[in-house]
Amino acid sequence: AQTVTQSQPEMSVQEAETVTLSCTYDTSENNYYLFWYKQPPSRQMILVIRQEAYKQQNATENRFSVNFQKAAKSFSLKISDSQLGDTAMYFCAFLRGNNDMRFGAGTRLTVKP
Amino acid sequence: SQTIHQWPATLVQPVGSPLSLECTVEGTSNPNLYWYRQAAGRGLQLLFYSVGIGQISSEVPQNLSASRPQDRQFILSSKKLLLSDSGFYLCAYRDRGFYEQYFGPGTRLTVT
Repeated sequence: AQTVTQSQPEMSVQEAETVTLSCTYDTSENNYYLFWYKQPPSRQMILVIRQEAYKQQNATENRFSVNFQKAAKSFSLKISDSQLGDTAMYFCAFLRGNNDMRFGAGTRLTVKP
Repeated sequence: SQTIHQWPATLVQPVGSPLSLECTVEGTSNPNLYWYRQAAGRGLQLLFYSVGIGQISSEVPQNLSASRPQDRQFILSSKKLLLSDSGFYLCAYRDRGFYEQYFGPGTRLTVT
């Protein structure tokens, strides 16, 4: 069964605008970790932001923030003031236990000048 | 600071040939290590992970194997490659006490 679902295969946004990428996950656990990774054309996976499920406060890293809705099992990524360098594949990931990281299929984001 | 290396960056191998991909981590001790495969246009699939030297856990039955001969070295191998082994292979590490994984630059493998 799919553990992590990203329902938007592709998205685009104008430079300097805000975009939100969606992610839902399925788990019966109470404590877990969620992540967003960015994969630019170079294909190296870069950690963007992480969220601990036991923390109610949404994580923020500069222009990147998340909207974590634990009851709804939703974990969306908001990118503010989009830049051309944000163009990449974005993957939502859910950590099961200590080592089993499950990734969504990804959202291809294009930032247009 | 920690760095993670993978080589080779690209590899083209015929069906039935052996495979050896190497991953090394610098700047940390006793990390957890991971091998992932990414098919074209898809997310990552966990293949193997290791919590210590000689300790390998397999997540997906396949034509591949992994070994950890040293604390910061992780090797992905195959005795005979299949066409379906083509893909992008990523190595990652996690420091003890933390949960995020950091990835290497990857190896693009094409089996012909």
